[in-house]
Amino acid sequence: QVQLVESGGGVVQPGRSLRLSCEASGFNFYSYAMHWARQAPGKGLEWVAVIWYDGSKKEYADSVKGRFTISRDNSKNTVYLHMDSLRAEDAAVYYCARDLLRYSGYDTVDYWGQGTLVTVSS
Amino acid sequence: AIQMTQSPFSLSASVGDTVTITCRASQDIRNDLGWFQQKAGRAPKLLIFSASTLQSGVPSRFSGSGSGTDFTLTISSLQPEDFATYYCLQDYNYPRTFGQGTKVEI
Repeated sequence: QVQLVESGGGVVQPGRSLRLSCEASGFNFYSYAMHWARQAPGKGLEWVAVIWYDGSKKEYADSVKGRFTISRDNSKNTVYLHMDSLRAEDAAVYYCARDLLRYSGYDTVDYWGQGTLVTVSS
Repeated sequence: AIQMTQSPFSLSASVGDTVTITCRASQDIRNDLGWFQQKAGRAPKLLIFSASTLQSGVPSRFSGSGSGTDFTLTISSLQPEDFATYYCLQDYNYPRTFGQGTKVEI
């Protein structure tokens, strides 16, 4: 069955960096675009970034553009989110999610991981 | 970015009721809309994609409709396990945008 397991969350000071990982299993990872989304405590969902199945295309939310970088290693079935210059407003549970269709990136998401919590505090 | 306006913010209902949640896009998004259910402390779950296509394994009491700018999620015969928060998500373009969420309470 499809599984997505995020890791790398924790407490980080404002202005510092953090890298999140999401390890996938149960499907052909190399053929699916992968997304990151986040949810601040008590708030709604916010889409963050996407990377195409082959890494050829990436898109970002305006709120993270220039600070966050999405990448993937298809040999490790893992997608990453590198977060620089973290701000208090970046504190959230970060989820990775799979695109619905293979060899796309133009669809909704279906499977989600359980999330990893990022706290930004001095 | 496309704005997704979801209403109501919350609603109270009883088991067996039919509830309707609406989502309005700030521009035409064809039928590029999904609906998600999220329970407290859990990851979201895809219910419907392409505005009206039921995701595999989702009960048929969930249905979606609409195209262009106005969309509806309907839950018929509400069950105890349906009390949750529901979100719409446009996948017409990037950046993807969610609605603000609708909490369905007892």
